[in-house]
Amino acid sequence: GAVVSQHPSWVICKSGTSVKIECRSLDFQATTMFWYRQFPKQSLMLMATSNEGSKATYEQGVEKDKFLINHASLTLSTLTVTSAHPEDSSFYICSARDQAGHKFGSGTRLTVV
Amino acid sequence: GENVEQHPSTLSVQEGDSAVIKCTYSDSASNYFPWYKQELGKRPQLIIDIRSNVGEKKDQRIAVTLNKTAKHFSLHITETQPEDSAVYFCAANNAGNMLTFGGGTRLMVKP
Repeated sequence: GAVVSQHPSWVICKSGTSVKIECRSLDFQATTMFWYRQFPKQSLMLMATSNEGSKATYEQGVEKDKFLINHASLTLSTLTVTSAHPEDSSFYICSARDQAGHKFGSGTRLTVV
Repeated sequence: GENVEQHPSTLSVQEGDSAVIKCTYSDSASNYFPWYKQELGKRPQLIIDIRSNVGEKKDQRIAVTLNKTAKHFSLHITETQPEDSAVYFCAANNAGNMLTFGGGTRLMVKP
């Protein structure tokens, strides 16, 4: 079945640095991808909708200048956490939808120290 | 936008008993309702889903029911096993293909 690949699986970075997370649809084209954030013991919260060839749509309360999204091709969306701070530490998961439903990446555990 | 409420937040059952998790949604335009099982640090795994033109769906020990009028849908797990222990999320998919998740239910099945 359709697979969504996400890298890296985990990353530790220093405060003030930027981190890029990649989300790829391996065997299908995804004009739209979704980025979620999940804090410990909480649900997945939609951060933004990534649209191929156009600007991402951000949910209320999500800073677009801090969470940069680029969807330059039909199989790749990237999320860059800029000037990361400890409060950005979280589990970030992407998804894309094919005919069968939503497919999730394996997630990225970000720890900012 | 869509709002999905999920109850209970934790559920403890004895092995072999049934478990029921309930969700409500607010957007009548939502048309697809998946249920996910998530283990710690892993991606959500789809376990069953239902579309708005169906009232009930069953897959072995798992069943889902949908009441469109009341905007309720429920997950039923029968003959629970210790390996069913995990966090379960309901979700609603609106016309824009966005998924809104419920708050999650931590299911614990005691041997």
